[in-house]
Amino acid sequence: SQQGEEDPQALSIQEGENATMNCSYKTSINNLQWYRQNSGRGLVHLILIRSNEREKHSGRLRVTLDTSKKSSSLLITASRAADTASYFCAYDYKLSFGAGTTVTVRA
Amino acid sequence: EAQVTQNPRYLITVTGKKLTVTCSQNMNHEYMSWYRQDPGLGLRQIYYSMNVEVTDKGDVPEGYKVSRKEKRNFPLILESPSPNQTSLYFCASSLIGGSEGKLFFGSGTQLSVL
Repeated sequence: SQQGEEDPQALSIQEGENATMNCSYKTSINNLQWYRQNSGRGLVHLILIRSNEREKHSGRLRVTLDTSKKSSSLLITASRAADTASYFCAYDYKLSFGAGTTVTVRA
Repeated sequence: EAQVTQNPRYLITVTGKKLTVTCSQNMNHEYMSWYRQDPGLGLRQIYYSMNVEVTDKGDVPEGYKVSRKEKRNFPLILESPSPNQTSLYFCASSLIGGSEGKLFFGSGTQLSVL
C-alpha cells in the first residue's frame, strides 16, 4: 500500500500563529483523512475530505485537497499549546500512515 | 463509553516467548486493524480484518498472527518474538473498512523484546 508523505517533518511555532503541513500521495483517491497523535497515544481522527471536495473546515482546522497535484494540506489557525502533537494523513484502502509532521506550539 | 481497549499497556518479554496482545472494541465495528509504530517509519499496518469472516495481511505481517473469532475481539499473537519486534503497537477499529472508515485507536502497547 502507499503511505502518505507529510511535510515538513517537524514544525515549531509560537502560540497564536498558524501551522500548515502538507501531505502528498501517489495514487488516485476516493477521500483522505487527517489524524492527530499526542505523545505516544492512539491517533485521533480529525477530518475526512472527499475527492470531489476542495476545502473543508472543522473548528480551527482547514483542510484542502488538490487531486491534480496529489496533495492535501492541513492548516491549524490560532494555534494553542494543546495543538502540540504529530499529525498524519491517510488515504488508501488500508489507510496507511506516513511518519507524520510533529508540531510544537511554544507558549 | 465507546472505546478500543488494548492490554497490556506495557510488556517486556524475552526472545521466543509467545505472547498475545488483546484488543477489544465495544462499538460493534466491522473493521479492525493492527499497526506498529517505529521512530521515523510512521505507522505500518500488520494485519486487518474487514469483518469476522475476512482477515488479511497488511504491510508488515511477518512474525505475527491474528484471530477474529468474534466481532469485538482482535488479538495480536507473536508466536516467537524477536528483538526487531520491539515497538509501539496500536489496535484500531472502524464501522466500515477502507478509506471511508474513521478509525478509532486504542491507547497502545509498548512492547520490548530482550
